[in-house]
Amino acid sequence: DSGVTQTPKHLITATGQRVTLRCSPRSGDLSVYWYQQSLDQGLQFLIQYYNGEERAKGNILERFSAQQFPDLHSELNLSSLELGDSALYFCASSVDYRGDTGELFFGEGSRLTVL
Amino acid sequence: KNEVEQSPQNLTAQEGEFITINCSYSVGISALHWLQQHPGGGIVSLFMLSSGKKKHGRLIATINIQEKHSSLHITASHPRDSAVYICAVFSNTGNQFYFGTGTSLTVIP
Repeated sequence: DSGVTQTPKHLITATGQRVTLRCSPRSGDLSVYWYQQSLDQGLQFLIQYYNGEERAKGNILERFSAQQFPDLHSELNLSSLELGDSALYFCASSVDYRGDTGELFFGEGSRLTVL
Repeated sequence: KNEVEQSPQNLTAQEGEFITINCSYSVGISALHWLQQHPGGGIVSLFMLSSGKKKHGRLIATINIQEKHSSLHITASHPRDSAVYICAVFSNTGNQFYFGTGTSLTVIP
């Protein structure tokens, strides 16, 4: 158990809809990273928050947004969903804001299926 | 072109064999992570390296910053090592991660 909690584990929805994925980081970790893993593109970094502020941005679509709340949990909002958004979405946490100062702890992922 | 290339893509080994997975990258990095993803989908961080070599049990990871190359070695492989191994680099210029496409390892008893 990594200590990182993601909900929901599975989600099935239709094109055009909006969903929210939630991540609770490991106790004491201030950084939350979001990643997308699809069959054709592998793992991709989406966005990072550190202590409530956006820290780094990767290949995140404009239809997607995220935030980190004062209690440090984070939400990833996906809107106007398309079939190609079907993927496994992972959250990871670490104690620091840089990806070169500490280990990453991953949640079990949220599997999104868009029909 | 991918910033991170892994080889081989697929690997089948007999139990007890010594295994090497390679990772080459093209961006400037300040750290490289080796990740393990089991068939159930969960991801576990194995190593974070910025130089030299690290060892955890039967796993050894090395990195050569000048050559932009890292290797993950598994000694005395076991069927429970069967998983996908992913190389990820942290680029301090872009402050983001880039991932390899993974190496799928199957260890046969």
